[in-house]
Amino acid sequence: QKEVEQNSGPLSVPEGAIASLNCTYSDRGSQSFFWYRQYSGKSPELIMFIYSNGDKEDGRFTAQLNKASQYVSLLIRDSQPSDSATYLCAVVKSGGSYIPTFGRGTSLIVHP
Amino acid sequence: DTAVSQTPKYLVTQMGNDKSIKCEQNLGHDTMYWYKQDSKKFLKIMFSYNNKELIINETVPNRFSPKSPDKAHLNLHINSLELGDSAVYFCASSQSLENTGELFFGEGSRLTVL
Repeated sequence: QKEVEQNSGPLSVPEGAIASLNCTYSDRGSQSFFWYRQYSGKSPELIMFIYSNGDKEDGRFTAQLNKASQYVSLLIRDSQPSDSATYLCAVVKSGGSYIPTFGRGTSLIVHP
Repeated sequence: DTAVSQTPKYLVTQMGNDKSIKCEQNLGHDTMYWYKQDSKKFLKIMFSYNNKELIINETVPNRFSPKSPDKAHLNLHINSLELGDSAVYFCASSQSLENTGELFFGEGSRLTVL
């Protein structure tokens, strides 16, 4: 089982819709969870992080964490074509080096 | 002012050659990293330094040698390049070891080995 799993997509949504990006992780003791956005040919950019169960909202973005199900998601409301990118989930495990493990990313396409 | 800058952005070289990539951050961060991103976009940690000290070396061949002259700089030297080394190499920094998930990435250095 991969440590951090994401559906590679592409996930295609129409402009204005809600895009839902999902991530599961294998280490039950994982502590902190991050979402990065990476435009094609560019570097990853941190957009959200969440440490506690529940929802965390920032503008059009909502991160959701369910530690019991080992599941973290990112919702993008009112999706725009400029949101088209690859979204990388990163998880910091308990113990060890505290270096985040990245998933392979989900490609999101928002079409007009 | 670019927060994390790395040079060069592109390297094209032959198998067996040696190459270096330089990275500098002006954020005042304590911790710096090298990540490798392959053609399938998988981002994998290679090395991490905290205040110039190596703390992570993730099963990277010893042809790869990082060096941190001070906490604002982290360089990567690669000897005897192989085809499989072709990838994008990202330098990153975080404020400290307590913020390892909050990474600031450089623009990447795309290495192509022919």
